[in-house]
Amino acid sequence: GNSVTQMEGPVTLSEEAFLTINCTYTATGYPSLFWYVQYPGEGLQLLLKATKADDKGSNKGFEATYRKETTSFHLEKGSVQVSDSAVYFCAQSATSGTYKYIFGTGTRLKVLA
Amino acid sequence: DADVTQTPRNRITKTGKRIMLECSQTKGHDRMYWYRQDPGLGLRLIYYSFDVKDINKGEISDGYSVSRQAQAKFSLSLESAIPNQTALYFCATSDRTGGQETQYFGPGTRLLVL
Repeated sequence: GNSVTQMEGPVTLSEEAFLTINCTYTATGYPSLFWYVQYPGEGLQLLLKATKADDKGSNKGFEATYRKETTSFHLEKGSVQVSDSAVYFCAQSATSGTYKYIFGTGTRLKVLA
Repeated sequence: DADVTQTPRNRITKTGKRIMLECSQTKGHDRMYWYRQDPGLGLRLIYYSFDVKDINKGEISDGYSVSRQAQAKFSLSLESAIPNQTALYFCATSDRTGGQETQYFGPGTRLLVL
C-alpha cells in the first residue's frame, strides 16, 4: 500500500547550518507531495507542495524536489534559524479515486543559537 | 480570523464521560477530516466527510462518532471517553482542484482523559 517514510528525529542544528530532512514514499500512480510544519502548540501548516515529477516546491527558504526515480521529496534549507524549530511532516495525496492522504511520522527539528 | 477553528482548545475529562469536539471552517471546502496525533505515531485518520451527506470511517474510528451538521461544521464525539483517547485532535479541510488535494488544519484540541 501507499506509505510515507521520514528520517527519525530529533535533528539538532546550529543556527545558519544546512538542513536536510529525508522523505521517501511508496505509491501507485503519481501522488502529490507535501511538507507541513507544526510549531509548538499549533496545528499543521502547509509549507510547500509539488504535484508532479521534477516539480520543486519552495516557501520561506525551504525547498523540496519531487524525484520520481528515487521516490523522494527531501526537504532542504540553506541556513536555518532558531525560529525554524518545529516538527516537519511529509505527506502524499492520491490524484484520483477516494481519500488517500498519508502522513509520515514527523521529524522534530531543534535549532540552537 | 482563522479559516479552520476548533473548540475547545484544551479539555480535561474523566473516564466514561461523553464529550464533543467541534470544528468550523470558512474556507468553503466540502471535505472535512478528524485526525488524532500521538507522539511518535504521526497523524491517524479518525473520520472524514466529503459532503454533508457523506461520512466515512478512517483507520481508527472505534470509540468515536461524528456529525456533519453543515458544510462548515464537523463535530467529533467520544461517547464514553477512556484514558487511551488522550491525544491531540486536529480537524482539517481540503479542496480538490484539478484533481489535486491540499489539506488545511485547525489549531488542534488537546484532550486529557483521566
